[in-house]
Amino acid sequence: DADVTQTPRNRITKTGKRIMLECSQTKGHDRMYWYRQDPGLGLQLIYYSFDVKDINKGEISDGYSVSRQAQAKFSLSLESAIPNQTALYFCATSDGDRSTGELFFGEGSRLTVL
Amino acid sequence: RKEVEQDPGPFNVPEGATVAFNCTYSNSASQSFFWYRQDCRKEPKLLMSVYSSGNEDGRFTAQLNRASQYISLLIRDSKLSDSATYLCVVSLMDTGRRALTFGSGTRLQVQP
Repeated sequence: DADVTQTPRNRITKTGKRIMLECSQTKGHDRMYWYRQDPGLGLQLIYYSFDVKDINKGEISDGYSVSRQAQAKFSLSLESAIPNQTALYFCATSDGDRSTGELFFGEGSRLTVL
Repeated sequence: RKEVEQDPGPFNVPEGATVAFNCTYSNSASQSFFWYRQDCRKEPKLLMSVYSSGNEDGRFTAQLNRASQYISLLIRDSKLSDSATYLCVVSLMDTGRRALTFGSGTRLQVQP
C-alpha cells in the first residue's frame, strides 16, 4: 500500500460544483502539502500544514481551502470549481524533525472541470 | 522572473551518452537544493540532494554554484530507464516554514 494515498485519482466535474480531494498518510510525518501541476509550469504550492493546528497559504491559494482533520489527513476543497482549476493535484508529506527537504508524494489526483 | 528556471528540453540522447542539465534560481538566500525525478504521469521522487561541495551518486553528479546561482545535474552512461523529467528544487530553510519551490522540469528522452 502507498504511504501517501490520494482519493479520488481521477475526477471529472462541472463548473460550479464543490469538489474535495482527500489525502491520508501512514508515514507519521507532521508536515503535509497540496500542490498543483500544470504542463510547463511545474509544481505550485496551494496550501501547507506543519501540524494539525497550523494551516498556511501557498503561492496559489485563491479558490481553494484545506482542512487538516488529523495528523494523517489533509483535504483540499474547491468550493466552486472553474475550468482553469483543471490540473493534476499532488499531496505530499515531509518529516519536519529531520528537515532533509525530501517530500513524499501521493500518486496524484487528476481533476477536469468542464 | 521565475524563482527557479530550467530548460524544458526535451533532451534527446542515445544510450550511453553523457547529458547535463542546468537550473538557475533567483533568490540568493536559498539554502537547500535538490533534484527530483518525475516519470510520465507519476509523482515526483527525490533523486538527490545537492551539496555545496558537489556530490555524486553512481552515474549522477550534482553541483552547486552559489556565486552564479545555478545547479547542475550530470548523467553519465545514460540508460533507457533514465528517460523522465528532472525537476530542480530549492528551499529557503532559514525560516523553517517555507516549502520547496520547484522548477518546471527538464525532459530527458534516452533513445536506443
